[in-house]
Amino acid sequence: QVTLRESGPALVKPTQTLTLTCSFSGFLLSRSGMSVNWIRQPPGKALEWLARIDWDYDKYYSTSLKTRLTISKDTSKNQVVLTMARMDPVDTATYYCARMATTYFDYWGQGTLVTVSS
Amino acid sequence: NFMLTQPHSVSESPGKTVIISCTRSSGSIASNYVQWYQQRPGSAPTVVIYDTNERPSGVPDRFSGSIDSSSNSASLTISGLKTEDEADYYCQSYDSITSWVFGGGTKLTVL
Repeated sequence: QVTLRESGPALVKPTQTLTLTCSFSGFLLSRSGMSVNWIRQPPGKALEWLARIDWDYDKYYSTSLKTRLTISKDTSKNQVVLTMARMDPVDTATYYCARMATTYFDYWGQGTLVTVSS
Repeated sequence: NFMLTQPHSVSESPGKTVIISCTRSSGSIASNYVQWYQQRPGSAPTVVIYDTNERPSGVPDRFSGSIDSSSNSASLTISGLKTEDEADYYCQSYDSITSWVFGGGTKLTVL
């Protein structure tokens, strides 16, 4: 079955770079049409799409955050990595990775809470 | 980029029908599919409607989606409300397949 799991630090300091890993199983990111996305949710607030990487290595970023984000994949390890530079307390959120096989996010990880504080 | 605006909260009684709206700020609501996600406290979202009006397997037919081009909005209708439907609901659409946008979310209370 399809599973995704986010991992990374629970606490980062302001100005640091955050690195999150999405480890997945049950599907091939090399399959045509497949993508993995990162989505975040500040406590008590709405979902925000951040980035996407496609099966063919195409990458897409949120317009408002594109200068701070980098997404990459290691198909052999079944992992997608997101880095976010210059972290700020407003970036405190639960970060999710989610698969998209057609037109919607069909499988999500359980999310990982990242707190930005000195 | 465009925005999707949802009511902050709605409430209704068990057995009744509720409609949650999602208004697109620019561009036509009909030009891209709309998805609806349900999120219960402490859990990741799950899709209840995709491609504007399609239901994934396992989602009861009490859930339905539609669009109204005159108001440039999408709607999620939940009929025969159950207490288990109490959750946050988010609409989501995209622009040129390069920018994915979520609405601000609607808290549904089933009294």
